[in-house]
Amino acid sequence: EVQLVESGGGLVQPGGSLRLSCAASGFIFSDHYMDWVRQAPGRGLECVGRIRNKAKSYTTEYAASVKGRFTVSRDDSKNSVYLQMDSLKTEDTAVYFCARGSFGGGYYYFDYWGQGALVTVSS
Amino acid sequence: DIQMTQSPSSLSASLGDRVTITCRASQTIGTSLNWYQQRPGKAPKLLIYAASTLHSGVPSRFSGSGSETDFTLTVSSLQPEDFATYYCQQSYSNPHTFGPGTNLEIK
Repeated sequence: EVQLVESGGGLVQPGGSLRLSCAASGFIFSDHYMDWVRQAPGRGLECVGRIRNKAKSYTTEYAASVKGRFTVSRDDSKNSVYLQMDSLKTEDTAVYFCARGSFGGGYYYFDYWGQGALVTVSS
Repeated sequence: DIQMTQSPSSLSASLGDRVTITCRASQTIGTSLNWYQQRPGKAPKLLIYAASTLHSGVPSRFSGSGSETDFTLTVSSLQPEDFATYYCQQSYSNPHTFGPGTNLEIK
């Protein structure tokens, strides 16, 4: 059974930092791209960042709203992906989901999601 | 970035109804379109990818169609568990943007 479990959420002051972790199990983690998607309270979904697999040199993508402040990394030996969030702003308050990226017929989609981790940025 | 819009933003329907949700992309995306269902307090679940391919385990009452800029998600006969928010997402170009969602409520 595929499982993704986020941890590390919490309350942080504006300008502070937080690191989210996502532990994966039930599949060959190293084969997959991994994404972070966030959802502000009562709002829609926003792709935050992606890290590709070793075959694609672990390259990353970021939303413009977080570029330069957030960093996605992974440790294939620990089946984990991370989201380092620096210089946090109140508008970064959201539930952060990690999601497994998969390809089917050349099309990319998120076929499994974690339960989410709440990050609250407030003084 | 490619902008995604959905209509309606909310929809009231009854058990057994057939409903259709529309998603439009701001530029052509071929069939690089995914649909997700999200129940309150839960993570989204993949329903359909590549515009019309049903994800494993998704009931056949869900179907998707469309190409280029206009897409639809249809639920043929609403069941109690289908009342949720539905999001489309384009995977044609980065960032893979989502639509604003359609909230499907019980009438």
